[in-house]
Amino acid sequence: SQKIEQNSEALNIQEGKTATLTCNYTNYSPAYLQWYRQDPGRGPVFLLLIRENEKEKRKERLKVTFDTTLKQSLFHITASQPADSATYLCALDVTGGFKTIFGAGTRLFVKA
Amino acid sequence: EPEVTQTPSHQVTQMGQEVILRCVPISNHLYFYWYRQILGQKVEFLVSFYNNEISEKSEIFDDQFSVERPDGSNFTLKIRSTKLEDSAMYFCASRNPSGGGADTQYFGPGTRLTVL
Repeated sequence: SQKIEQNSEALNIQEGKTATLTCNYTNYSPAYLQWYRQDPGRGPVFLLLIRENEKEKRKERLKVTFDTTLKQSLFHITASQPADSATYLCALDVTGGFKTIFGAGTRLFVKA
Repeated sequence: EPEVTQTPSHQVTQMGQEVILRCVPISNHLYFYWYRQILGQKVEFLVSFYNNEISEKSEIFDDQFSVERPDGSNFTLKIRSTKLEDSAMYFCASRNPSGGGADTQYFGPGTRLTVL
């Protein structure tokens, strides 16, 4: 079955630094991959989607890369701020949009 | 900005009771989903719904679960006989796909279900 792994349970960084989060997947060749943010007790909020034919996608301070050979996506937050502290989830649609599976998430703590 | 709403925000029930969790998806969306998240664990897909029928369901979505779109606005998840292990946050999501199907899922704020 399809599997998603987010390598770090938690990541602590200093304000202003770049946070890099990793997502690896197996047993699947997704057409696209998504990143969400989740705050405690809240629902996931969509951040970025990257397609299989895109190597990189940017939105403001966020950047996502997608390597279909390595089966890996990297999610970067540049110039991180304490307000970026949250759990970041990697997700794959596995049946053309009818079923999405999520990784366990990486908790990011940005210290002022 | 349109948003997905869910009621109630918190539901407490006794084991064996039936519960209905309600969602109002974004009005022009066509695809609807339910997910659950047990405390401290990952978001798990339960079911997707399109054109008044289930499109996909996970192994979690057994005969105790059912979904319905009773009218043009609501989308409900029913658990017939709740178990202790059904205690979790339940999230509804909706999507309006364009060509290629790769559009954003919008999540509701969730219903926290506590089974005693």
